[in-house]
Amino acid sequence: DIQMTQSPSSLSASVGDRVTITCRASQSITTYLNWYQQKPGRAPRLLIYGASTLQSGVPSRFSGSGSGTAFILTISSLQPEDFATYFCQQNYNLPRTFGQGTRVEIK
Amino acid sequence: QVQLQESGPGLVRPSETLSLTCTVSGGSISSYFWTWIRQPPGKGLEWIGSIFHSGSANYNPSLRGRLSISVDTSKSQFSLKLTSVTAADTALYYCARESLSDYDAAYFFDYWGQGILVTVSP
Repeated sequence: DIQMTQSPSSLSASVGDRVTITCRASQSITTYLNWYQQKPGRAPRLLIYGASTLQSGVPSRFSGSGSGTAFILTISSLQPEDFATYFCQQNYNLPRTFGQGTRVEIK
Repeated sequence: QVQLQESGPGLVRPSETLSLTCTVSGGSISSYFWTWIRQPPGKGLEWIGSIFHSGSANYNPSLRGRLSISVDTSKSQFSLKLTSVTAADTALYYCARESLSDYDAAYFFDYWGQGILVTVSP
């Protein structure tokens, strides 16, 4: 199985901050990497697929980059509704695997 | 708008079989992979397995031998059966649709059910 490792596990930030979350794969997954946002009590929501393609309806302050084994999710200016947990997920092969999550908290 | 809804018992006894159904509405069940994902309380996400509308299924090797996923296209439903459950199977179970990008081979989970909490306890 491909292991996905996110860092940090949690972070504290203020509204307006630029936030970056890193995801590393245990082997190359080219650009087969997705990002999801999950709020408490809710199902995950797709933000980005193909490492950098924004899902329809997702605000442009979210962006993704990377290829191979290292990926970054960036929130350019954190908004109150962005406080949540973020997961990366590889779709390079089966079984699909997720990172352990990064919790973004209010500073 | 595509909607998914999980249904099934919220409590299962140890060693028994966990059975869940996901009903799809607002869209066709054809041409997608229909997936089960679970999340133990306070933990991360685990892909359980998926099934194509044709009935071809893929399972997580960690659960193979206990797991069965089936689809009923006439009812727009797909189902999960997990046998010999233990407390480690306690989790929030989600059903989701896995779609393929229009212009590359990227797959992603674009629609999710609200999740159903299944507790394994005597």
